[in-house]
Order: sequence, then C-alpha cells, then structure tokens
Amino acid sequence: QVQLQESGPGLVKPSGTLSLTCAVSGDSISTNTWWTWVRQPPGKGLEWIGEIYHSGSAHYNPSFKNRVTISVDKSTNQFSLNLNSMTAADTAVYYCARGFIGTYSREFDYWGQGTLVSVSS
Amino acid sequence: DIVLTQSPISLPVTPGESASISCRSSQSLLHSNGHNYLDWYLQQPGKSPQLLIYLGSNRASGVPDRFSGSGSGTDFTLEISRVEAEDVGVYSCMQSLRTPLTFGGGTKLEIK
Repeated sequence: QVQLQESGPGLVKPSGTLSLTCAVSGDSISTNTWWTWVRQPPGKGLEWIGEIYHSGSAHYNPSFKNRVTISVDKSTNQFSLNLNSMTAADTAVYYCARGFIGTYSREFDYWGQGTLVSVSS
Repeated sequence: DIVLTQSPISLPVTPGESASISCRSSQSLLHSNGHNYLDWYLQQPGKSPQLLIYLGSNRASGVPDRFSGSGSGTDFTLEISRVEAEDVGVYSCMQSLRTPLTFGGGTKLEIK
C-alpha cells in the first residue's frame, strides 16, 4: 500500500522559509510519477504548487513568483518543498501527492494526510 | 492559466436522489489524443482529496459506479446517482492539460 507522510513545522514566522518533507512508502520515488505539492488555505479551494520527477525535472506554479523549490532525495525515498518569504496568505494545509503517469496523463491517486502550516510572529 | 468554474457552490441532496455538478473551463481541455484532461476529486470532511474520475469519464479504482463523469471540451459534469450519506464533502474538478494545474472552486454536497 502506497503511503505519503508530510512532516515539518506547523508554525513559520513572516518572511521566513517553510521546509516540508514528504516520505514515500510502498513505492519507489524513481517510478514514472510526478511527485506533487498542493495546498488549501482555510475555507478555500485546492492550489497546485508544483511537481518534480525523479530525474530532478520540476514544474512550478508561476503564482509563487520564484519563491518555491521542490527537490527529490532518492536515497531516502522522499521529496521536499521549500517556500520562502512566507506571509499570512501562505497559511494553509499542505498536501503531498503522487501524480502517477498513466498512458495519457498524471492522476493523483495517493495523497498525504496534510499538514497545517500557520504563518505568524 | 486555465480557469475552472464550478456550479453550484452548495448542493443539498436528499438521500437516494441524484446530484449533478458542473465544471466549465476557460479553454478546451480536449487533447489531440482524443482525451479530455479533466479529473474529479472528493474531499470528505477532515480528509485528503480522493480521485473519483480521470480523463473526464474514467472511474478510478474502487469508486462506485454511482459516480459518472461526462463532457468534452469546455463543459463537464459529474453525476452522482442514489446519493448516500458518505458522499458528503467538497467535489472539485481539476485540469491537467497544462501547467499550472488548476482546480475549480469546489462544490459542497450536503445531505438534506
């Protein structure tokens, strides 16, 4: 059974940097998959942050204005999110997800439980 | 960016009845391979999103056949027949034709 588990701080200071890690079990991070971060501000909809392939190739949402970096660590079967210059608007539940690449498209078939990150001094 | 607009925002449904959710895209989601890059997700209260429908009309593994997706191009519909109490939550459409991937604003289904 594939499982994803986010870990990281629940509180970040304004202008600080958020660092989250997603541990993958039951699957190799080197499979044909886009490993993805999605967030959901309180009471709002889902927002795609970005994704990374095991080769290191990554795509980011331009709305984050170069504040975001996603990396992959094949030795630990994990991938990570770094988001800098945090503001209150970045308060959200952050999810990691497996974007399995099928014959035609990626499908988010497994998700982490999500971790709430608050931005406050 | 591709904008997805869902309606209604809120959907009260009596158990056993059917429900329909619309998702309209600002651009066609029909790829030259003939597939529509539109998925549907359900987020039950307090839980992570779960995949219901992919490529417009394909049920994900383990999803009951009460759920069906249809549509093409810019107009898509998720139909739920014989609604049950466990179907409550927020339904969101998502396009994966182009990055950035984008989601609709969500439709909250509640039981009357």
